Amino acid sequence: AAGVIQSPRHLIKEKRETATLKCYPIPRHDTVYWYQQGPGQDPQFLISFYEKMQSDKGSIPDRFSAQQFSDYHSELNMSSLELGDSALYFCASSPGGVGETQYFGPGTRLLVL
Amino acid sequence: AQKITQTQPGMFVQEKEAVTLDCTYDTSDQSYGLFWYKQPSSGEMIFLIYQGSYDEQNATEGRYSLNFQKARKSANLVISASQLGDSAMYFCAMREGGYSGAGSYQLTFGKGTKLSVIP
Repeated sequence: AAGVIQSPRHLIKEKRETATLKCYPIPRHDTVYWYQQGPGQDPQFLISFYEKMQSDKGSIPDRFSAQQFSDYHSELNMSSLELGDSALYFCASSPGGVGETQYFGPGTRLLVL
Repeated sequence: AQKITQTQPGMFVQEKEAVTLDCTYDTSDQSYGLFWYKQPSSGEMIFLIYQGSYDEQNATEGRYSLNFQKARKSANLVISASQLGDSAMYFCAMREGGYSGAGSYQLTFGKGTKLSVIP
């Protein structure tokens, strides 16, 4: 079965640089969630989209922005990177219903030097 | 207050034995969902099992079952016949609220339990 695709899988950036993370949801899933997992931490919700519109926002820094495109893929843009942004970034997709399970991608491991 | 509490930072289990991972939750919502995810050392987050607050039967998925005790607000994961490949971090997560619009069902995670299966 098709899974959520994230690219790149690994990313190394310098402080103050920008990064773009991409997420391709499972086919026919119209809802995308982004989570950030710091080292040794639990995942924290950042932002979500449904039908290309932002639907909910969590603890996402103002330096980050995201959008969902017409083909339902989503991109997380991160600017002025800080050392503390080093984390595993997950995208999850779901069909959008109330009880629907979120299926996670493999994550993008970002290291900021 | 923590919405999801996993009191066991680490656990050991003998191969082929059963193990229970604890999870308690805190919500005032009537409609909510509880999930368990497995995270191996490679990092991916794998969905295991889901229990809705209105589900009367405990959820089961193969070797995984969820012991749901609503009055106690607990949702423990039971893994039967442990295998070496079960060694991983296990996260309990909750989705709160009834219908608030698609895309509004963010998950809140516990701190996780690291399970080690001993041969």
